[in-house]
Amino acid sequence: DARVTQTPRHKVTEMGQEVTMRCQPILGHNTVFWYRQTMMQGLELLAYFRNRAPLDDSGMPKDRFSAEMPDATLATLKIQPSEPRDSAVYFCASAFETSYGYTFGSGTRLTVV
Amino acid sequence: AQSVTQLGSHVSVSEGALVLLRCNYSSSVPPYLFWYVQYPNQGLQLLLKYTSAATLVKGINGFEAEFKKSETSFHLTKPSAHMSDAAEYFCAVTLNSGNTPLVFGKGTRLSVIA
Repeated sequence: DARVTQTPRHKVTEMGQEVTMRCQPILGHNTVFWYRQTMMQGLELLAYFRNRAPLDDSGMPKDRFSAEMPDATLATLKIQPSEPRDSAVYFCASAFETSYGYTFGSGTRLTVV
Repeated sequence: AQSVTQLGSHVSVSEGALVLLRCNYSSSVPPYLFWYVQYPNQGLQLLLKYTSAATLVKGINGFEAEFKKSETSFHLTKPSAHMSDAAEYFCAVTLNSGNTPLVFGKGTRLSVIA
């Protein structure tokens, strides 16, 4: 089965450090999404891309978060500097068309201490 | 703007009993509706989707959902719960045009009691 690959699976870092999360979408999927999941807020959309172009990143704190797609096989989400409130599970998902549904990666569990 | 409301953050059923997880949607145009399941420490997995082809949709693992426009509902059911069904379930909606992102409900945790 085709799958979305996220790395790393787990990351523990100290406050103030830079964190980079990576996602390899399914080949042929032209839309990539980043979500954050916490107990309090549930699933929050951070940003998404279509054909590598950012369509909406209004869900991200702009001063510290950035998302890019350097090429069709890689999406990155970067936090600099990280803060304890950023601790969450970050999911990447890809889709050919949203109406078909997403395929989610296994997530990156980030802990900022 | 579209949204979904999942009634009940936690549902507990006995093994072999009917599973009913509720989802109501709000959309100004005919929506696409989805149910996802999340097992511990895993990503979300698509259970089933409604795309206007049929109002009763069958998914994986014996789950099904019925789209009821008059009630703006898309409830998830399974006739007989199994221990392996214990997980978090999410309802999601998107508009049937373009590539607007899915909007997810808060989720319902299903517990299955032996």
